[in-house]
Amino acid sequence: AQSVTQPDIHITVSEGASLELRCNYSYGATPYLFWYVQSPGQGLQLLLKYFSGDTLVQGIKGFEAEFKRSQSSFNLRKPSVHWSDAAEYFCAVEPGGSYIPTFGRGTSLIVHP
Amino acid sequence: NAGVMQNPRHLVRRRGQEARLRCSPMKGHSHVYWYRQLPEEGLKFMVYLQKENIIDESGMPKERFSAEFPKEGPSILRIQQVVRGDSAAYFCASSPRLAGGPQETQYFGPGTRLLVL
Repeated sequence: AQSVTQPDIHITVSEGASLELRCNYSYGATPYLFWYVQSPGQGLQLLLKYFSGDTLVQGIKGFEAEFKRSQSSFNLRKPSVHWSDAAEYFCAVEPGGSYIPTFGRGTSLIVHP
Repeated sequence: NAGVMQNPRHLVRRRGQEARLRCSPMKGHSHVYWYRQLPEEGLKFMVYLQKENIIDESGMPKERFSAEFPKEGPSILRIQQVVRGDSAAYFCASSPRLAGGPQETQYFGPGTRLLVL
């Protein structure tokens, strides 16, 4: 069975600083990979997804993620964080052809002014 | 086009009562998925339904939990005789076709926060 590890429970950055949120997965083949953002009291919004092809994926709100097969990682990045980016971020993996994603436990992003 | 709607947004129940959570998928979506999020955990899949059919309930607890998606009206997640451990956020997602491919994405609702006293 696949699994997802988000090693950082909380990340604190200053507004304008760069951001990288880590995600490692365990799965035998190349899975489908997702990043979601959850603002307080809200549902999950899809930021970006990777299925195949270019390993650098662009998403909404200025986010990008890079799939590294050798490291089984799919880290999320943003060059300059805005205060409105403060939220919970979830990485998810899905075996090809499945409709059931496995979510990590999430990373809470705190943005200091 | 309205997004996925869930109500109530917050629900408080005493132990032993029943909880009914409703989910209206996006217009044109006939596939509904329910997830549970325990505190400080990621979402866990519970059940996948199409209109009038339960397709996959592999994530549903064997007792007290049931789900339906009637021909008309919202999908309902029902929890009978709630216990404190049922306190969680319950999210519904929908898709126009079976999700899991590059072209399909699940769209999530805002969730129902259930608190069992």
